[in-house]
Amino acid sequence: NAGVTQTPKFRVLKTGQSMTLLCAQDMNHEYMYWYRQDPGMGLRLIHYSVGEGTTAKGEVPDGYNVSRLKKQNFLLGLESAAPSQTSVYFCASSYPTGLAGAETQYFGPGTRLLVL
Amino acid sequence: AQSVAQPEDQVNVAEGNPLTVKCTYSVSGNPYLFWYVQYPNRGLQFLLKYITGDNLVKGSYGFEAEFNKSQTSFHLKKPSALVSDSALYFCAVRDGNNAGNMLTFGGGTRLMVKP
Repeated sequence: NAGVTQTPKFRVLKTGQSMTLLCAQDMNHEYMYWYRQDPGMGLRLIHYSVGEGTTAKGEVPDGYNVSRLKKQNFLLGLESAAPSQTSVYFCASSYPTGLAGAETQYFGPGTRLLVL
Repeated sequence: AQSVAQPEDQVNVAEGNPLTVKCTYSVSGNPYLFWYVQYPNRGLQFLLKYITGDNLVKGSYGFEAEFNKSQTSFHLKKPSALVSDSALYFCAVRDGNNAGNMLTFGGGTRLMVKP
């Protein structure tokens, strides 16, 4: 199993450009998440999905959109990139356990994005 | 609201010595607590978690953590540090009584193990 994979690994954008980050998982997980990691701030949740066709906002959703058309894929879109979106983006997935909230999340390797 | 604090930006320890990485949390309900490790240019890897039961939780790579409800802490420990343990460590919390809450991460602690 490849686990959670992310493409691309690194990207440079100019302000105002758009792009889509792709996350794929082969573990048949129901839940998927997008985080951003900034120095000293840990990981902050952007959007998440609890199943195919469903998405929800996290802590810092502004400027991002997501789609979950297939169970194994979770796409993160930036419609008009801004320098404040320079960050490392991580995707994660998990499966529901008998205890809601107790599930372990499995992370991808990250995408480093630089917006000039 | 839920929150987690990692009071030390960096912890330095000599190889072979015991290590502790501190974490304190705040939730209104029952805490679900997690530790993750991040090696350079990699994603986060799960180490261990506390959901319920025994306060001492054992995890991967010889790490363990102790849940202390009175001190609202969940410190990560290892009896004998290895140079290969050098990495960034994240504590995370989720309120087990509020299914709508997601995982909240601390700012991370960089562990440096010197030979």
